[in-house]
Amino acid sequence: RKEVEQDPGPFNVPEGATVAFNCTYSNSASQSFFWYRQDCRKEPKLLMSVYSSGNEDGRFTAQLNRASQYISLLIRDSKLSDSATYLCVVNLRDAGKSTFGDGTTLTVKP
Amino acid sequence: GAVVSQHPSWVICKSGTSVKIECRSLDFQATTMFWYRQFPKQSLMLMATSNEGSKATYEQGVEKDKFLINHASLTLSTLTVTSAHPEDSSFYICSAGGGLRETQYFGPGTRLLVL
Repeated sequence: RKEVEQDPGPFNVPEGATVAFNCTYSNSASQSFFWYRQDCRKEPKLLMSVYSSGNEDGRFTAQLNRASQYISLLIRDSKLSDSATYLCVVNLRDAGKSTFGDGTTLTVKP
Repeated sequence: GAVVSQHPSWVICKSGTSVKIECRSLDFQATTMFWYRQFPKQSLMLMATSNEGSKATYEQGVEKDKFLINHASLTLSTLTVTSAHPEDSSFYICSAGGGLRETQYFGPGTRLLVL
């Protein structure tokens, strides 16, 4: 079993749709969680951190469920520019390194 | 956010050539940097953790003699792909931060094509 697993995708949605991605992690000692966005042939860029209390940034909402060991990303009112691969990232603080999911590809169509 | 640069952005070389990639943190000091490799349509795979002033920590399956890492200062880490072969062709990305800083900032990546 992979340490971090994401919805396989791809997700193809029309503009304005709401789309949700889930990510599960296997190590209960995981300490911090992030969503990154990676555009084609580019480096990943931090989208948002994920906290137990949940956090929202505009159209994006991230939530963490420690008991079930999953995190989620909700995108409301999808824009064409949201088309990208979304990477779930989990850190083990003591290990000092991150584990990436395989990514979920989102394509928003007009 | 912090800025991390990589150089070069593109490399095309003949098989057997050694290729050196630089990763610089431009506006902060990074005691730890990470080197990743990404093949098409696959996730980032951590190759090694670069520690300033000490030896790098390599992930299982990554040959330390083939992928030489030097982290000589708090702002520079280098990855040298020795005697590159076509199967080494990939997208190499460095990042700085992580650990106590938690958030990682990625360089723009280096595309290596070995002919």
